[in-house]
Amino acid sequence: GESVGLHLPTLSVQEGDNSIINCAYSNSASDYFIWYKQESGKGPQFIIDIRSNMDKRQGQRVTVLLNKTVKHLSLQIAATQPGDSAVYFCATGDKLVFGAGTILRVKS
Amino acid sequence: ETGVTQSPTHLIKTRGQQVTLRCSSQSGHNTVSWYQQALGQGPQFIFQYYREEENGRGNFPPRFSGLQFPNYSSELNVNALELDDSALYLCASSFWGANGELFFGEGSRLTVL
Repeated sequence: GESVGLHLPTLSVQEGDNSIINCAYSNSASDYFIWYKQESGKGPQFIIDIRSNMDKRQGQRVTVLLNKTVKHLSLQIAATQPGDSAVYFCATGDKLVFGAGTILRVKS
Repeated sequence: ETGVTQSPTHLIKTRGQQVTLRCSSQSGHNTVSWYQQALGQGPQFIFQYYREEENGRGNFPPRFSGLQFPNYSSELNVNALELDDSALYLCASSFWGANGELFFGEGSRLTVL
């Protein structure tokens, strides 16, 4: 079956530093990948997505990298801010298979 | 533009009871998906509704059922509640064909005692 997993359950970074959150997926046929942010007590919020015909996509302060060879994607957050503290999920597939999530804690 | 709204926000039931959760989709969206999120885990896909019919189902038993109404709102029904059904139930709406970008509500927190 399809699975999506994350390497690190918790990531602590200093305010202003860059953050990198990693994700592995199992289905080599996946053609769409998406990152969500979930703050405490709220539903997941879309951050950025990428299609399998791309290996990099940039948004505002965020970059997603896709390595199809090793079935890995990452989310990079530049100049991490306290408001970035949340759980981050990667997901893939047309019905969205979610990973377990990475907790990002930003230290001031 | 109205976002996805869910009700109730919190509820407590006892084992064996039945529960109905409701969701109003975001304006302009015609597809609703339901997810179960256990504490400390990622959301798990339950099912999706489009044109008032189920369009895809995850690994959940038949006691999880749903409806979609002509105005695209939706209900999730769970019968014969079990302790493990305690979770946050998330509704997400989208426009059919918009690959993957789901807009989530804040969820309904169900506790089964």
